[in-house]
Amino acid sequence: EVQLVESGGGLVRPGGSLKLSCAASGFTFSGSGMHWVRQASGKGLEWVGRIRTKADNYATAYAASVKGRFTISRDDSKNTAYLQMNSLKTEDTAVYYCTERSNWGQGTLVTVSS
Amino acid sequence: DIQMTQSPSSLSASVGDRVTITCRASQDINGWLAWYQQKPEKAPKSLIYAASSLQSGVPSRFSGSGSGTDFTLSISSLQPEDFATYYCQQYNGYPYTFGQGTKLEIK
Repeated sequence: EVQLVESGGGLVRPGGSLKLSCAASGFTFSGSGMHWVRQASGKGLEWVGRIRTKADNYATAYAASVKGRFTISRDDSKNTAYLQMNSLKTEDTAVYYCTERSNWGQGTLVTVSS
Repeated sequence: DIQMTQSPSSLSASVGDRVTITCRASQDINGWLAWYQQKPEKAPKSLIYAASSLQSGVPSRFSGSGSGTDFTLSISSLQPEDFATYYCQQYNGYPYTFGQGTKLEIK
């Protein structure tokens, strides 16, 4: 059974940093591109970014709203993807999901507030 | 960026009805379209990829079609568990944009 489990969410002040993790199991993680998607309360889905596999040089792509502030990485030895979020803004408040597009994690809530 | 526009934004229907949701892209996306279902307080669930391919385990009453810029998600006979919000997403070009969602409610 495929499982994606996010962790690391919480309350952070504007300008602060937070690192989310996504632990994967049940599929060949090293062969899968991984994406992060977020959803503010009561709003729609927003694609945040993705990281490709080693075969594609771990290439990354980001939404304009987070480019330069967020960094996606992965550790294939740990079957884990990461989302490093810096210079956080109140508008980054959302539930953050990791997904390999067929399967999604349960999400982790990030709240940016003073 | 490629804009994705879903219609309608909301829809009321009854169990047993056939419903269709439309998704229009601002440019040709070469069939690289996915559909997701989301229930309140739950993660999205993948239904369809590549415009018309059903994800494993998804009931056959769900179907997708379309090409170019115009796509549809159809549910042939609504079941109580189908009342949810549906999103389309293009993955032809970055950023991978979503439609605004269609909320399917019980009439």
